[in-house]
Amino acid sequence: DADVTQTPRNRITKTGKRIMLECSQTKGHDRMYWYRQDPGLGLRLIYYSFDVKDINKGEISDGYSVSRQAQAKFSLSLESAIPNQTALYFCATSKADMTGELFFGEGSRLTVL
Amino acid sequence: ELKVEQNPLFLSMQEGKNYTIYCNYSTTSDRLYWYRQDPGKSLESLFVLLSNGAVKQEGRLMASLDTKARLSTLHITAAVHDLSATYFCAVATGTASKLTFGTGTRLQVTL
Repeated sequence: DADVTQTPRNRITKTGKRIMLECSQTKGHDRMYWYRQDPGLGLRLIYYSFDVKDINKGEISDGYSVSRQAQAKFSLSLESAIPNQTALYFCATSKADMTGELFFGEGSRLTVL
Repeated sequence: ELKVEQNPLFLSMQEGKNYTIYCNYSTTSDRLYWYRQDPGKSLESLFVLLSNGAVKQEGRLMASLDTKARLSTLHITAAVHDLSATYFCAVATGTASKLTFGTGTRLQVTL
């Protein structure tokens, strides 16, 4: 079983709908992240959380919100999805140390029509 | 704003050949990471480089970091088809584990 699990893995939705992507981890890491991947643009950070009471915006947070329900759970919401939010979304975790190595989930492919 | 540039963006190479992928970044950092991504899959951590002059090797891949030049290289020795994938470098700044990724190098190894 994957250490970082994302649900759903694939989702097709319509413009204006609310969408939630969920991430859970069994690695025991304190830090969790949401990244977005678009072809030719690499990965861009949406939000990150260093513990349950800590939420921080990344470089592209507009149109997104997050919730850290527990140490092991971090969800990403699109309140009103738009077509340019069509992308592959990755959740990642890391230890609270200086190595900073990220461990990624398997990705959630979102298509907004 | 930190910028991370990789080149080449696409690399087609024959099996058995050697090649190097370059990763340049724009601000001071002493932490650099290399990841591999197979099509439609997640990112797999390859190397974590945490100091100037760091060199790490795993199989046919070797990564190095020159923080003064703000440059990391990923060298491929005697490429094999199984190395075909997209390779990303990522740079960390500050004390947080916020990584900025390059746009990736798609490597295709042909027979």
